[in-house]
Amino acid sequence: DVKVTQSSRYLVKRTGEKVFLECVQDMDHENMFWYRQDPGLGLRLIYFSYDVKMKEKGDIPEGYSVSREKKERFSLILESASTNQTSMYLCASSLGGPSYEQYFGPGTRLTVT
Amino acid sequence: GENVEQHPSTLSVQEGDSAVIKCTYSDSASNYFPWYKQELGKRPQLIIDIRSNVGEKKDQRIAVTLNKTAKHFSLHITETQPEDSAVYFCAASSSNFGNEKLTFGTGTRLTIIP
Repeated sequence: DVKVTQSSRYLVKRTGEKVFLECVQDMDHENMFWYRQDPGLGLRLIYFSYDVKMKEKGDIPEGYSVSREKKERFSLILESASTNQTSMYLCASSLGGPSYEQYFGPGTRLTVT
Repeated sequence: GENVEQHPSTLSVQEGDSAVIKCTYSDSASNYFPWYKQELGKRPQLIIDIRSNVGEKKDQRIAVTLNKTAKHFSLHITETQPEDSAVYFCAASSSNFGNEKLTFGTGTRLTIIP
């Protein structure tokens, strides 16, 4: 069974703080993704990575950065949190190659006050 | 880039009736179309997917159809049950190596009325 875990289920931060969201997968998947989920907007891709130390911008990368130092771990960084970054953040991973199924983590609900 | 539109945003059907959710995509290079189901408070999970070389795929009560010419695909759920209540997301991907990202639709909240 694929397991994708995220460091926190709920997080409250203040405007201007640096925020780290961590994601770990235990199935040796090549690809990892960060999405944010907002009502009426679906799942929007922030960044993804198809290899260690590789990263690609998604559709809404502004205000975010990522780090993938090890294959199993993919971190999302909010350099200076703002209130419009209050959202549900979902991490996902996929094996790559012939299998494109993405396995999602439980999500982190981030509130920026 | 790819743009995926999904309709309707909400759908209520009587238990036992059928439900249909429709999506359109913009990038003719897209060749992989999955559907994800997200139950309340849970993570999205893949329920069915289709590739562009296939026009229809069925798995028990759910089926997906694809019209590449018109660039639209649909999810069909027959004999709906209360456990089908969830938010459903369609997605599209060009599934090129090194760029296996999905573009999701905005979701459909399906409610099954007992």
